Amino acid sequence: DAMVIQNPRYQVTQFGKPVTLSCSQTLNHNVMYWYQQKSSQAPKLLFHYYDKDFNNEADTPDNFQSRRPNTSFCFLDIRSPGLGDAAMYLCATSRDHGSSYNEQFFGPGTRLTVL
Amino acid sequence: TQLLEQSPQFLSIQEGENLTVYCNSSSVFSSLQWYRQEPGEGPVLLVTVVTGGEVKKLKRLTFQFGDARKDSSLHITAAQPGDTGLYLCAGRGYGQNFVFGPGTRLSVLP
Repeated sequence: DAMVIQNPRYQVTQFGKPVTLSCSQTLNHNVMYWYQQKSSQAPKLLFHYYDKDFNNEADTPDNFQSRRPNTSFCFLDIRSPGLGDAAMYLCATSRDHGSSYNEQFFGPGTRLTVL
Repeated sequence: TQLLEQSPQFLSIQEGENLTVYCNSSSVFSSLQWYRQEPGEGPVLLVTVVTGGEVKKLKRLTFQFGDARKDSSLHITAAQPGDTGLYLCAGRGYGQNFVFGPGTRLSVLP
């Protein structure tokens, strides 16, 4: 089945220790998104890639970076995690970005714990 | 900045009851989506509505997009414990990214 896969499902890191979260998709979608979701809050968009074009949200901290080496994979790098970065990180894809029928499909998320 | 509000924030009902949750904004959206999210999992897309006044049904779930495309509702008939979860609406303005509402946390008790 076509899907969005996130690894690992649970990640524990130490304060200040760089961490990378990964996302892969078999949907062959052009757009990949990274969201941060804290407990009892809505998902917050960090950035997205339209193909190879990177689009950063204005309020996304510089501590968060992303890479998309090919259509299928996208990575979220947190250079120096702080305690406030503990959250669920959600990857999503969509076929394109312009259509009103554009639908997002989410992966299961990676729960990040910062010690 | 587009903002979405959802109400109620929390809802606890008995199995078999009906319920409606609301998603409201002062902004116009080109499309609006409803998701259900279970603890520890990613949101699962339930429906996308695009046309003002549109009504879509998915088994016991009925979704409506407001005529002005600023609001939406989700009605569940004869709720079941399996309906328990966080219901999120997400709106997309023309040429913009999706914006999520804060969610309605539904608990259906057996």
